Amino acid sequence: SSELTQDPAVSVALGQTVRLECQGDSLKTYSATWYQQKPGQAPLLVMFGKNQRPSGIPDRFSGSKSGITASLTITGAQAEDEAAYFCASPDNNPKHPVFGGGTQLTVL
Amino acid sequence: QVQLQESGPGLVKPSQTLSLTCGVSGGSFRSGSYYWAWVRQPAGKGLEWIGHIYTTGKTDYNPSLTSRVSISVDTSDTQMSLRLSSVTAADTAVYFCARWYQSFYFHYMDVWGKGATVIVSS
Repeated sequence: SSELTQDPAVSVALGQTVRLECQGDSLKTYSATWYQQKPGQAPLLVMFGKNQRPSGIPDRFSGSKSGITASLTITGAQAEDEAAYFCASPDNNPKHPVFGGGTQLTVL
Repeated sequence: QVQLQESGPGLVKPSQTLSLTCGVSGGSFRSGSYYWAWVRQPAGKGLEWIGHIYTTGKTDYNPSLTSRVSISVDTSDTQMSLRLSSVTAADTAVYFCARWYQSFYFHYMDVWGKGATVIVSS
């Protein structure tokens, strides 16, 4: 099965821009999906497809992909954005989703 | 609006079978073109897809768990079950059920239950 690699931890100053990255061979073929997870809560879908935000997700969140690297950018990070972020993609078998290890984002 | 809720024993003995149920409100496990998935998360760790069932009843499982896992939907189409046999401490995790939409262009889990904590211990 393929793997998705994420930096374990990233920090950003309040109001600044941060890019979270996700790398994996499956991203050559498929887009990445991004989930935000706060302690004690279920994951929340924040980005999918080519920069598609679900209803209710602020437009400071944006997504992109280049080669085998997908990125989730938060422009003007807010305190409430502090959370773990997981990327996901179908595996070599498109019916098998695989998740990255997650990035813990700290907003300073 | 579809909502999901997991339920089941919070403590399972080693070698026994873990059984969880996911109830749906505002919809049915047989409606729409969705997969209905189980995902788990050990404390402080990442997410792992366990398996899913499609609206037709077809199932698919994580190859690392396929020999021990079974997912089904009951006749009311509102309860989805997960059974994981021969559990060990490594199966201790929060178990989520989720609605998964999957196509070539999009794939996302947009509805999640709150999660059920299962501890495997004697």
